[in-house]
Amino acid sequence: KAGVTQTPRYLIKTRGQQVTLSCSPISGHRSVSWYQQTPGQGLQFLFEYFSETQRNKGNFPGRFSGRQFSNSRSEMNVSTLELGDSALYLCASSDSTDTEAFFGQGTRLTVV
Amino acid sequence: GEDVEQSLFLSVREGDSSVINCTYTDSSSTYLYWYKQEPGAGLQLLTYIFSNMDMKQDQRLTVLLNKKDKHLSLRIADTQTGDSAIYFCAEISNNAGNMLTFGGGTRLMVKP
Repeated sequence: KAGVTQTPRYLIKTRGQQVTLSCSPISGHRSVSWYQQTPGQGLQFLFEYFSETQRNKGNFPGRFSGRQFSNSRSEMNVSTLELGDSALYLCASSDSTDTEAFFGQGTRLTVV
Repeated sequence: GEDVEQSLFLSVREGDSSVINCTYTDSSSTYLYWYKQEPGAGLQLLTYIFSNMDMKQDQRLTVLLNKKDKHLSLRIADTQTGDSAIYFCAEISNNAGNMLTFGGGTRLMVKP
């Protein structure tokens, strides 16, 4: 079974631009969560989608948004990028039991 | 918000046992997890424990949970150089849907 796939692995963007990151969950998993990892703040929850609906949201500004498609693939979008958005963005998928969350390799975003 | 805390660093000799500790504040935690992160990689789920258990063993890994003191530990027996990584504990509570709250991570260094 393939794991969680995140694309792209690396991204460099300029301040003020927007970016879209993609996550394909493990086959059969319907829950996708997004996390931001930075050296200063650690791992912080962004949001979670289940069956195309946002089920949970963390404390991030409205510039951070996401969506989930009918095949459970998810995208997250960050608009008006700031230097502080530079981070490793991790996506995790869970099955309907919500017991185990499996993470992808992450997308490393650098904002210059 | 709820907190999860870990010590920053642990150094052990190859072949010794490692014990990584974690404390949490959320009394409604249902599952507690240990993840491993190697450089440049995502998070690998090592093991988890349900809050009504006090111990779980999985090959070289032993998880101990003291719910009264809100203390979780991960013991790695016969530690190898390949175990060098950052270890994160995390919890999910009834009140937070499928949102993981992570500790800051413990960097384990294994000396040959």
